Amino acid sequence: NAGVTQTPKFRILKIGQSMTLQCTQDMNHNYMYWYRQDPGMGLKLIYYSVGAGITDKGEVPNGYNVSRSTTEDFPLRLELAAPSQTSVYFCASSPDRGIYNSPLHFGNGTRLTVT
Amino acid sequence: GNSVTQMEGPVTLSEEAFLTINCTYTATGYPSLFWYVQYPGEGLQLLLKATKADDKGSNKGFEATYRKETTSFHLEKGSVQVSDSAVYFCALTPNTGNQFYFGTGTSLTVIP
Repeated sequence: NAGVTQTPKFRILKIGQSMTLQCTQDMNHNYMYWYRQDPGMGLKLIYYSVGAGITDKGEVPNGYNVSRSTTEDFPLRLELAAPSQTSVYFCASSPDRGIYNSPLHFGNGTRLTVT
Repeated sequence: GNSVTQMEGPVTLSEEAFLTINCTYTATGYPSLFWYVQYPGEGLQLLLKATKADDKGSNKGFEATYRKETTSFHLEKGSVQVSDSAVYFCALTPNTGNQFYFGTGTSLTVIP
């Protein structure tokens, strides 16, 4: 069981470049999330999705876009990379929120550096 | 609003020492509470959870009790091992809405 898979593991971007962080899960979870983790700052929610075709902004959405065309995939797009987007990005999923105490399942992260 | 406050780190302990990591929360209604652990180079993993007041979550020798009167969910372990070295995150999810709220994490290093 693969769980939540993120690619790439590492990436270096130049300022102004674009890229897509990939996230896929094989647990048939409806809920998916993108977080960024900065040193000493914990996890901040970028975007989330409650099902295919439905996305919503989290705490820090500026500079990012997402789409959810299938239950399995939830890619995160950076259009014009900036140094402030240097971070570790985590994708996570959880079962239907009808069972509201379901935990999150995390991928192993993508470490992004923008220079 | 919803928020989680964790004790500042880093924490360094000798093997077999007692561990407490404090966590307090602010939430509307009756949230579920979680502790996640992050080992170096990995994503977060669920360590334990509690879904109602006075529940005790436990796993791998770690315990935490949901205290509604003090809005706390402190993590404890009686005898830590070197393999427990990691970053620990306290988190909550309210009983309405779709989001999880995380503390800033506490780094634990256990030395032999």
